[in-house]
Amino acid sequence: DAKTTQPNSMESNEEEPVHLPCNHSTISGTDYIHWYRQLPSQGPEYVIHGLTSNVNNRMASLAIAEDRKSSTLILHRATLRDAAVYYCILPPGGNQFYFGTGTSLTVIP
Amino acid sequence: DSGVTQTPKHLITATGQRVTLRCSPRSGDLSVYWYQQSLDQGLQFLIQYYNGEERAKGNILERFSAQQFPDLHSELNLSSLELGDSALYFCASSVEGKVATDTQYFGPGTRLTVL
Repeated sequence: DAKTTQPNSMESNEEEPVHLPCNHSTISGTDYIHWYRQLPSQGPEYVIHGLTSNVNNRMASLAIAEDRKSSTLILHRATLRDAAVYYCILPPGGNQFYFGTGTSLTVIP
Repeated sequence: DSGVTQTPKHLITATGQRVTLRCSPRSGDLSVYWYQQSLDQGLQFLIQYYNGEERAKGNILERFSAQQFPDLHSELNLSSLELGDSALYFCASSVEGKVATDTQYFGPGTRLTVL
């Protein structure tokens, strides 16, 4: 099963870009990379997901390394509302989500 | 608002008791997932249903059971409650139940406190 490694915490200044890394060196060819976030006192919220090529949506961008052993979630302009725990998830065999401990993002005004 | 509703929001009960948590998925979603979030264990997958049938099982204790009804709402039953069962319980739903590619939409959670 592919395991993910994320930094425990990161800080960013408001209105600056944020790059949240995730290592998944044991990823298999069919594992999708998912990112969810959990704001304080709320349920997790979908951010983005991808397989091989970079992906963009209104919330963020996902940059996937060519060898797929790492990926980076990019928030283009951090706002205070982006302060949350960000989870990088690779469902093994597409069976279930393992959330891990995620990266706690602090946004400094 | 994800469109997933969970009731009740808060539940306080005593050890040894039994409780039922309810989840209504987003309109059109056929699959429901249950997760438990505690301080020491983080977010853990419990069980998934698709169109009334169990599809995947995670770290769900034998004292816990769930079902998905014909109208697609789901209930999680927790019995013989212990102090360690105190946690946030989240329900999520997705369209096709394909974990690899579906987006899961999470409800606001039910906070269970066992005294």
